[in-house]
Amino acid sequence: LAKTTQPISMDSYEGQEVNITCSHNNIATNDYITWYQQFPSQGPRFIIQGYKTKVTNEVASLFIPADRKSSTLSLPRVSLSDTAVYYCLLYNQAGTALIFGKGTTLSVSS
Amino acid sequence: DAGVIQSPRHEVTEMGQEVTLRCKPISGHNSLFWYRQTMMRGLELLIYFNNNVPIDDSGMPEDRFSAKMPNASFSTLKIQPSEPRDSAVYFCASSSSSRVDGYTFGSGTRLTVV
Repeated sequence: LAKTTQPISMDSYEGQEVNITCSHNNIATNDYITWYQQFPSQGPRFIIQGYKTKVTNEVASLFIPADRKSSTLSLPRVSLSDTAVYYCLLYNQAGTALIFGKGTTLSVSS
Repeated sequence: DAGVIQSPRHEVTEMGQEVTLRCKPISGHNSLFWYRQTMMRGLELLIYFNNNVPIDDSGMPEDRFSAKMPNASFSTLKIQPSEPRDSAVYFCASSSSSRVDGYTFGSGTRLTVV
């Protein structure tokens, strides 16, 4: 499965918009891009997924350029409770399991 | 929906003892995954099942680890004998075949082997 690369850590302040970019240069045609969030002492939680262009839900937006070699998770107006690890992953519906990398540790302060 | 249910939440055992971790997936989900998380190695896939059949167990570290899924609503991960290096948080996750909503993870079992 294609590997993803994302920053190890990011810092932000409350109320700011946070954008986490993920690189996946070798993404395959049938790969989807999916993001998970993990709080301390909890399992990862699915946030958003997409194939191309823009996807938005009540939690975040996902921007995917035409070449699909990268994607950006956008968190609008973060709060302290958004402090977590965010994972960018690729998967296909052929049935292979998700392989998690190190993720991006987002720290939000007041 | 109660989500993915794991038990026990915490387990402390002595080296050499058998440990059994349990998981009840979400009803209707046909895929089940076992992951292990440590600070050093992050979140590692151990094994996963589709329709109760093990598909990929290449992540199982040693023969001391075994997993079963006797029916669609129950799975176990067993470690026998346990060793201190098995100390970690073990997560179970389930998903439907479409995976439109991704995986749903349980709260995990924190295992400490002393």
